[in-house]
Amino acid sequence: AQSVTQLGSHVSVSEGALVLLRCNYSSSVPPYLFWYVQYPNQGLQLLLKYTTGATLVKGINGFEAEFKKSETSFHLTKPSAHMSDAAEYFCAVSDGGAQKLVFGQGTRLTINP
Amino acid sequence: GAVVSQHPSWVICKSGTSVKIECRSLDFQATTMFWYRQFPKQSLMLMATSNEGSKATYEQGVEKDKFLINHASLTLSTLTVTSAHPEDSSFYICSAAGILDTEAFFGQGTRLTVV
Repeated sequence: AQSVTQLGSHVSVSEGALVLLRCNYSSSVPPYLFWYVQYPNQGLQLLLKYTTGATLVKGINGFEAEFKKSETSFHLTKPSAHMSDAAEYFCAVSDGGAQKLVFGQGTRLTINP
Repeated sequence: GAVVSQHPSWVICKSGTSVKIECRSLDFQATTMFWYRQFPKQSLMLMATSNEGSKATYEQGVEKDKFLINHASLTLSTLTVTSAHPEDSSFYICSAAGILDTEAFFGQGTRLTVV
């Protein structure tokens, strides 16, 4: 069965600092990987996804993630944090198809002024 | 882009009553829809998968008689929480995808509070 582990339920960085949110996955088949952001009481917004091809994926709002098969990782980064990045972030892996997802536990990102 | 609309955004109901949540794909045909539940400060857990015209497939531990899912058209799926109790209070989110889509598109979610 597929699973996702997000290291760190809460990450706090200063405005302008590097953002690094960690995600490791387990999958018995080549995975599709996703990062979503969720603001309070709202649905999920897709930041980026990896399906096939280039392992470095660029997403919206300056985020990017790199698929590393050997490390079974898909960490999310952003060079310079902005106050508006404060939210909950979820990593997800496909489960028997790209559309059905298994989510990680989520990481709450706090940005300090 | 693909748009999925959930209605209502929030609902309060009395214990013992039923409540229906709608999930609509506005600009594409959704052959498959998924229903997730999210408890406060927790992750999303898949409840069930529904394919248009077929019975929904429920995840282990989800009561199919309590959470009734209907996917009668390619643009609409409904989740009915029957005989709701306070422990059913949660954030319910749907996602929808067409047959060739490499991702599912999420609705805005519905906050259910049972009092």
